[in-house]
Amino acid sequence: RKEVEQDPGPFNVPEGATVAFNCTYSNSASQSFFWYRQDCRKEPKLLMSVYSSGNEDGRFTAQLNRASQYISLLIRDSKLSDSATYLCVVNIPGGFQKLVFGTGTRLLVSP
Amino acid sequence: AAGVIQSPRHLIKEKRETATLKCYPIPRHDTVYWYQQGPGQDPQFLISFYEKMQSDKGSIPDRFSAQQFSDYHSELNMSSLELGDSALYFCASRVGGTDTQYFGPGTRLTVL
Repeated sequence: RKEVEQDPGPFNVPEGATVAFNCTYSNSASQSFFWYRQDCRKEPKLLMSVYSSGNEDGRFTAQLNRASQYISLLIRDSKLSDSATYLCVVNIPGGFQKLVFGTGTRLLVSP
Repeated sequence: AAGVIQSPRHLIKEKRETATLKCYPIPRHDTVYWYQQGPGQDPQFLISFYEKMQSDKGSIPDRFSAQQFSDYHSELNMSSLELGDSALYFCASRVGGTDTQYFGPGTRLTVL
C-alpha cells in the first residue's frame, strides 16, 4: 500500500465547474501537508500548504482531517489553465522533511 | 526571485556510462533534496543534504552517489547507467526552519 494514495483520474470537467480531489496518508506522525501542481514534463510547483484549520487561496481551498488522515483540495470556477496533475504530498517526520508524493490526480478542464 | 537551477536540462547516455547532474539551490537555502520521477510515476526521494552533510537517504541505488559542496550546490553522480535509470531527476531546496521545498526544472536523463 502506498504511503499517500490519490485517485489518479482523469477528472474531465467543463470551465466554471467545481472539482474536489481527495488524498489519504498512512503515517499518522506526518506534520506537513501540501498540494503541488505538476504540468507535463515540468517540475512540481507548490500550490498550497495544508493546515488543520483549513486554508483558502483564491479559488483553491484545502482541508486536513488528521483523525481520518485525509486531505482534500477544492477548486472552484475551474479555468482551462487549471489542467494539470495535482500531487498530494506529505512529509516524513523525524528528519529533514523528505517528502512522499501521491501518484497525482489528473485534471482536464475543457471549454 | 531566484529559483533552483539544474544542469544539464537534458542528457543522453549509453548503458554502462556515467552521468553527473548538478543542482544550485535558491540562495540561503541550506538543504538540498534529490528526487527521481520515472515515466508515469510520482517523484521518489533519493537523498538529501543539510549543511553539506548527508541528512537522509531514500531509494538511491548503490551505483549513485551525491554530495553537497561548500557553496551549497549539489551533484548527483550516476555510474553503470541502466535503461531503467531513464527518468526526470529533480532537485529541491529548502531553508531551515520552514517546511516548503522548491523544485528545480529537472534534468531529463535518457539511457540508450
